[in-house]
Amino acid sequence: DGGITQSPKYLFRKEGQNVTLSCEQNLNHDAMYWYRQDPGQGLRLIYYSQIVNDFQKGDIAEGYSVSREKKESFPLTVTSAQKNPTAFYLCASSRRMGDTQYFGPGTRLTVL
Amino acid sequence: AQRVTQPEKLLSVFKGAPVELKCNYSYSGSPELFWYVQYSRQRLQLLLRHISRESIKGFTADLNKGETSFHLKKPFAQEEDSAMYYCAPAADGLTFGKGTHLIIQP
Repeated sequence: DGGITQSPKYLFRKEGQNVTLSCEQNLNHDAMYWYRQDPGQGLRLIYYSQIVNDFQKGDIAEGYSVSREKKESFPLTVTSAQKNPTAFYLCASSRRMGDTQYFGPGTRLTVL
Repeated sequence: AQRVTQPEKLLSVFKGAPVELKCNYSYSGSPELFWYVQYSRQRLQLLLRHISRESIKGFTADLNKGETSFHLKKPFAQEEDSAMYYCAPAADGLTFGKGTHLIIQP
């Protein structure tokens, strides 16, 4: 379970502030992903990265940004432009795109 | 557009009864097919993958290309099977179904 970590577990922010969620993996995986999990909505893909220094928008990228400067790290920034940021955010990684994904424990973000 | 449908939001069965969680997909190619499971207070994790053809925790999933379905089955449900189950075809994109909450009643 320690292969992919997310921090913090809970995060509170005021409306209008940007916030960055951390995701780190030591599995030597090339691909990494960010999902948003809302009740009744399943998992929706925000961004994904197939390799270092490259990333692609997912289905709901508006109001979010990412970077992939290191293979191990794929931080997600929730910007003030995201209209409904309160949610549970999941990070995942896989050996390559489309392979089995390994998930982090998640970060619950609450915007007050 | 790539789509995956899990028609049941909630499925409740008694312990020892057979279980079938439905998954239908709509893809132009031949996606790799996965089932993921999330037990209470645990991480989302792989349950099984079509290509491996393994049976995990007594679950199997049969790919029906004609019906474009990948239903998850178990002949005798156990209480520890209570969880959220997600069907996930992986092709050019990455899509998860909305999930089925399986409750096994004693």
